Amino acid sequence: DIQLTQSPSTLPASLGERVTISCRASQSISNSLNWYQQKPDGTVKRLIYSTSTLESGVPSRFSGSGSGTDYSLSISSLESEDFAMYYCLQYATYPYTFGAGTKLELK
Amino acid sequence: QVQLKESGPGLVQPSQTLSLTCTVSGFSLTSYHVSWVRQPPGKGLEWMGVIWTGGSTAYNSLLKSRLSISRDTSKSQVFLKMNSLQTEDTATYYCARGTTGRDWGQGVMVTVSS
Repeated sequence: DIQLTQSPSTLPASLGERVTISCRASQSISNSLNWYQQKPDGTVKRLIYSTSTLESGVPSRFSGSGSGTDYSLSISSLESEDFAMYYCLQYATYPYTFGAGTKLELK
Repeated sequence: QVQLKESGPGLVQPSQTLSLTCTVSGFSLTSYHVSWVRQPPGKGLEWMGVIWTGGSTAYNSLLKSRLSISRDTSKSQVFLKMNSLQTEDTATYYCARGTTGRDWGQGVMVTVSS
């Protein structure tokens, strides 16, 4: 199975700050990577698919990039509603696998 | 408006079988795949499996021997059945539209305990 290593596991940040979350795959996944946001009430939302394509309705402050084994999610200017858990998912190979998650918290 | 809603028992005894239903609206099961994902308390997400538009399925190899996903297109429902439950199967179970979850249900918490 492909392992996804997400870092950091916790990311303290301030409003207005730019942050980046990393997701490294144990083998090349050819841009088959999505990013999800999970709020404390359990609500899950897909933010980005195919590495860098923003879901409809997702603010443009979110962006994704990467290739091969290394991918990242960036938020250009944090707003209060962005503080949540973030997960990456690879769908290059079954079984699909998630990263362990990054908790973005208010500093 | 796309909606998915999971339902099922909140408590299941060890060694028993879990049966969950995902009722969808706003799209057809013959046009979109539906996946199941679970999350143990305080832990991350685990992809469980998918039922394709044509009715065939793919499962996480770690769960394959215990897991079955089926559907009733006339009722817009997808079913998850998993047998031989253990306490480690305690989790919130989500269904989602598409193989990688374009839209998600709110989840249903299942506790495995005697």
